[in-house]
Amino acid sequence: DAGVTQSPTHLIKTRGQHVTLRCSPISGHKSVSWYQQVLGQGPQFIFQYYEKEERGRGNFPDRFSARQFPNYSSELNVNALLLGDSALYLCASSRWGGTEAFFGQGTRLTVV
Amino acid sequence: AQTVTQSQPEMSVQEAETVTLSCTYDTSESDYYLFWYKQPPSRQMILVIRQEAYKQQNATENRFSVNFQKAAKSFSLKISDSQLGDAAMYFCAYNWGNNNDMRFGAGTRLTVKP
Repeated sequence: DAGVTQSPTHLIKTRGQHVTLRCSPISGHKSVSWYQQVLGQGPQFIFQYYEKEERGRGNFPDRFSARQFPNYSSELNVNALLLGDSALYLCASSRWGGTEAFFGQGTRLTVV
Repeated sequence: AQTVTQSQPEMSVQEAETVTLSCTYDTSESDYYLFWYKQPPSRQMILVIRQEAYKQQNATENRFSVNFQKAAKSFSLKISDSQLGDAAMYFCAYNWGNNNDMRFGAGTRLTVKP
């Protein structure tokens, strides 16, 4: 079975631009969560989606948004990019109520 | 607020020796889960071991074991017979309830010397 897949793997954007990151969960997993990992730090929770509804939100500005599709894949959108948004963005999938999250390899976003 | 603290930014161990990584956490919840994740340079977070708070018995997975002290809110990871492939960043994480709002520590970089 395929694991969690994220695309693209690397991305370079200019300040003020918009970016969309994509995640496909493990087959059978209905919950997708997004994390931001700044260099040298642990991942920080951004969003959780389950059955296309937002079930949790971390302490991130409204420039960050996400959605989940009927096939349970998910997109993370970031508007008006700032230099500080440069980070590794991780997607994790799980079964609802499952305590174990499976992570993708992440998207490395660089804002210049 | 739930927080996770890893006080060792870096650790090193000789191949075949044993090393212990420390983690403490703060929570008011009684039912929760604790994890150790490994993140090699490939960036993918890999689950090493999991502990349910209601279980008194410490979790073990092959060469990896934990020392879970609920009253002290401590959750250390012991790696026995260290191998070169164990070199990575190790993150302690906490989760509660039916969600994936996992709280991570800042990580410990483990170096394994041949």
